[in-house]
Amino acid sequence: GENVEQHPSTLSVQEGDSAVIKCTYSDSASNYFPWYKQELGKGPQLIIDIRSNVGEKKDQRIAVTLNKTAKHFSLHITETQPEDSAVYFCAASKGSGGYNKLIFGAGTRLAVHP
Amino acid sequence: DTGVSQDPRHKITKRGQNVTFRCDPISEHNRLYWYRQTLGQGPEFLTYFQNEAQLEKSRLLSDRFSAERPKGSFSTLEIQRTEQGDSAMYLCASSGQREYNEQFFGPGTRLTVL
Repeated sequence: GENVEQHPSTLSVQEGDSAVIKCTYSDSASNYFPWYKQELGKGPQLIIDIRSNVGEKKDQRIAVTLNKTAKHFSLHITETQPEDSAVYFCAASKGSGGYNKLIFGAGTRLAVHP
Repeated sequence: DTGVSQDPRHKITKRGQNVTFRCDPISEHNRLYWYRQTLGQGPEFLTYFQNEAQLEKSRLLSDRFSAERPKGSFSTLEIQRTEQGDSAMYLCASSGQREYNEQFFGPGTRLTVL
C-alpha cells in the first residue's frame, strides 16, 4: 500500500541554523506533496506544497524540493527561529479532480534553541 | 472565524459508550475528510465526502464507526461501543473545488476511552 517515510524523527538546531527534513514515498503515481506544521493542541497547518511537475518551490525561509525519480522530497527551513519549533509532517497524495487523500509521514519534532 | 471547527475539543468516555463528534468545514468547501491521529504518529485517513456523498472509507473505519454529512455542510463521526484503542485525536479537514486543493484542518477532537 501507499507509504511515506519521514526522517529524522527529532531534530534539534540552534537559532539561525538551517533544518532539513526528508521524506520518501512508495506510490509512483503520487503527484501532490504538502508539508504541515502542527503545534501542541492544534490541527496541522499547511506551510508549503509542491506538485509533481515542479522540482523546487520557495516561500521566504521555507523551500521544498522534489526528486520524482528517487521518490524523495525534502523540506528546508533557513534562518530558524524559536517559533519554528513544532512537529512537521510530510504527506503525499495522487490527487485527481480535486480529491486528495493524504498519506502522512510519522512526523519530525523540530526544536530550535535560542 | 471562518476556519474549520470541531466540537467537542475533548471527550472522555468509558469503554462501551457511544460518542459523536461534529465538524463544520469552511462554508464554501464541498470536500470533507476525517483523519485519526495517535500519539507520535501522522494523521491517518478515515473517510472522504464530496458534498453529501461518502466516496471513500478506509479499512481503519470498522463497522463501529459511521460518518455522515447529511446536507453537504457539517459532518458527524460516531463511534459505537468505544474501545480503549479508539483513543486518539480525530481531525477533520475541508477543501474546495479546484484541482490540487489545500486541505484546511480543524483543531481536532481528542478522545480518551477509559
